[in-house]
Amino acid sequence: EVQLVESGGGLVQPGGSLRLSCAASGFTFSSYAMSWVRQAPGKGLEWVSAVSGSGDKTFYAASVKGRFTISRDNSKNTLFLQMTSPRADDTAVYYCAKTGGCTGDCYSYYFDYWGQGALVTVSS
Amino acid sequence: QLVLTQSPSASASLGASVNLTCTLTTRYTNYAIAWLQKQPQKGPRYLMKLNNDGSHRKGDGVPDRFSGSSSGPERNLIISGLQPEDEGDYYCQTWGTGPLFGGGTKLTVL
Repeated sequence: EVQLVESGGGLVQPGGSLRLSCAASGFTFSSYAMSWVRQAPGKGLEWVSAVSGSGDKTFYAASVKGRFTISRDNSKNTLFLQMTSPRADDTAVYYCAKTGGCTGDCYSYYFDYWGQGALVTVSS
Repeated sequence: QLVLTQSPSASASLGASVNLTCTLTTRYTNYAIAWLQKQPQKGPRYLMKLNNDGSHRKGDGVPDRFSGSSSGPERNLIISGLQPEDEGDYYCQTWGTGPLFGGGTKLTVL
């Protein structure tokens, strides 16, 4: 059974930093690109960032580029999102998601498994 | 520019059928999409990948009463025999230069 479990959410001050983690199980983690997708309060889903299966390629939405860093540790089946200089409009539930239907560098495709989410609140 | 358009809300009676539509920008009428279900306090659930010819590939454990169809730029999610647990938000998603989501449809089961 595929499981994705996020952790590390919480309250962070504007300009601070926070690291989210996503522990994966039930599939060959290193074979699939992984993404972070967020949902701000009362809003829809927004793709944030992706990393290739090997971890050597990263991709970002314009809204977070230069501030957030995605990475993965394939030896520990864990995905990360380092949030630096967060802003109030980064407040959201952050979900990790597994790319479905293709492997390796393929990240812009559908997501077949999602975590339960981690709430990040950016406020002073 | 690739855009996915969804009606903000829909409603139907318990046991009835409902058709939720996601419309692609006309230029991208051959694109496939995915349908997702989002319920409060839960992560999104992948329902199906829906191709431009109407063929679809459902996710693990998705009930048979969920199906899809396509017509031109429209990608439809059909839910038959509505159950109370079907209430929630439904999003379509596609992929171009990056993953892209529609605005979502809030489904109310009456």
